[in-house]
Amino acid sequence: EPEVTQTPSHQVTQMGQEVILRCVPISNHLYFYWYRQILGQKVEFLVSFYNNEISEKSEIFDDQFSVERPDGSNFTLKIRSTKLEDSAMYFCASSEGPRSDRGLFFGEGSRLTVL
Amino acid sequence: GENVEQHPSTLSVQEGDSAVIKCTYSDSASNYFPWYKQELGKRPQLIIDIRSNVGEKKDQRIAVTLNKTAKHFSLHITETQPEDSAVYFCAATSGGSYIPTFGRGTSLIVHP
Repeated sequence: EPEVTQTPSHQVTQMGQEVILRCVPISNHLYFYWYRQILGQKVEFLVSFYNNEISEKSEIFDDQFSVERPDGSNFTLKIRSTKLEDSAMYFCASSEGPRSDRGLFFGEGSRLTVL
Repeated sequence: GENVEQHPSTLSVQEGDSAVIKCTYSDSASNYFPWYKQELGKRPQLIIDIRSNVGEKKDQRIAVTLNKTAKHFSLHITETQPEDSAVYFCAATSGGSYIPTFGRGTSLIVHP
């Protein structure tokens, strides 16, 4: 079965540095998402993306964050000037449609550690 | 926005026992409730879902129930097996959005 892939699986960075997390959604999916999970806490929605633009975003998704689909296959999350509290597991997901009967397909996550 | 609470955070059972995970939601307009299973080191995967027009749905050893009045829904696993050990996430999707809001997750441990 097709899978969502994410890179890197783990990234360690210094506070203040920029980080780019990459995702390759399933090829026929139209909706893309980023979620994050701080250790021991909830899986939190960050942003959704459809038709080459942000369709929804949460309060967490402030000016520090940006997303883009630079080449029609990759879907990236950029975090500028990382803070300690950005340390989390970041999940990319995709779906066929907004209320797909098959739900969201998740990647395995990218663990970000900010020192 | 929607708020989903999930209990317990950890559930330990003996193989063959039943396991129940409970979630509550805050937005009465929510109408779609998926459950995801995440095995250690793997990605979350949809295992079952329920929509607000039904009260119960079963798939082999797994069942979900929904009480719209009380705004809570539950996952029931019968005859648990060691391979059921994983973190289970409930989620709720508001009628005004297609974005699932997740609970904190329940770590289910099934002892052989």
